[in-house]
Amino acid sequence: QSVLTQPPSASATPGQRVAISCSGSTSNIGSNTVNWYQQLPGTAPKLLIYSNNQRPSGVPDRFSGSKSGTSASLAISGLQSEDEADYYCAAWDDSLNGSYVFGTGTKVTVL
Amino acid sequence: QVQLQESGPGLVKPSQTLSLTCTVSGGSISSGSYHWSWIRQPAGKGLEWIGRIYTSGSTNYNPSLKSRVTTSVDTSKNQFSLKLSSVTAADTAVYFCARGWGRTSNWLDPWGQGTLVTVSS
Repeated sequence: QSVLTQPPSASATPGQRVAISCSGSTSNIGSNTVNWYQQLPGTAPKLLIYSNNQRPSGVPDRFSGSKSGTSASLAISGLQSEDEADYYCAAWDDSLNGSYVFGTGTKVTVL
Repeated sequence: QVQLQESGPGLVKPSQTLSLTCTVSGGSISSGSYHWSWIRQPAGKGLEWIGRIYTSGSTNYNPSLKSRVTTSVDTSKNQFSLKLSSVTAADTAVYFCARGWGRTSNWLDPWGQGTLVTVSS
């Protein structure tokens, strides 16, 4: 079972801003950096944000990440129809000899 | 541009061992300080990290799967592999391989397209 909790869904109209939360604990988000992945329907996940707030080359600056304490957040500004996808946070967990844990996932719908 | 491609049987019988291979193209599996991960996703559900291996042979596994998982690297073939023993229907999923960066930052990029493995008699 996932140890990082995300809301199951989020929605907004085109052009608006949507934010997704990711709640963890001191052994994961509280101690390590957070990564975010975007999974478009029927495709493999794609790295969206790494090390809390870094965008890989090619990712629009509409996507931004932040972290505070044991929680993290992904914001999408200027929402576009092609942003409709599942989003997952992830972080290394220091418990039990270390393991990578994913969030429960959030489905973003563009209304 | 590094690309990853999973391969292996799409159907495995219960109690048998699931075996998958990930072939890396566009770069050497031995270059850099990368590690190589396996992740799975049951239909309609979220992502579950299975484990990772460095080309040195060092590994980390998901504690919930550790007793059944074995990974290996073949640098001569630019491949890494996954074996999951004693499978049940609960192991039916799309299995992805990915390249990892950073020991505890562990971001995964790129990913393979995934391969569906069904456990059924």
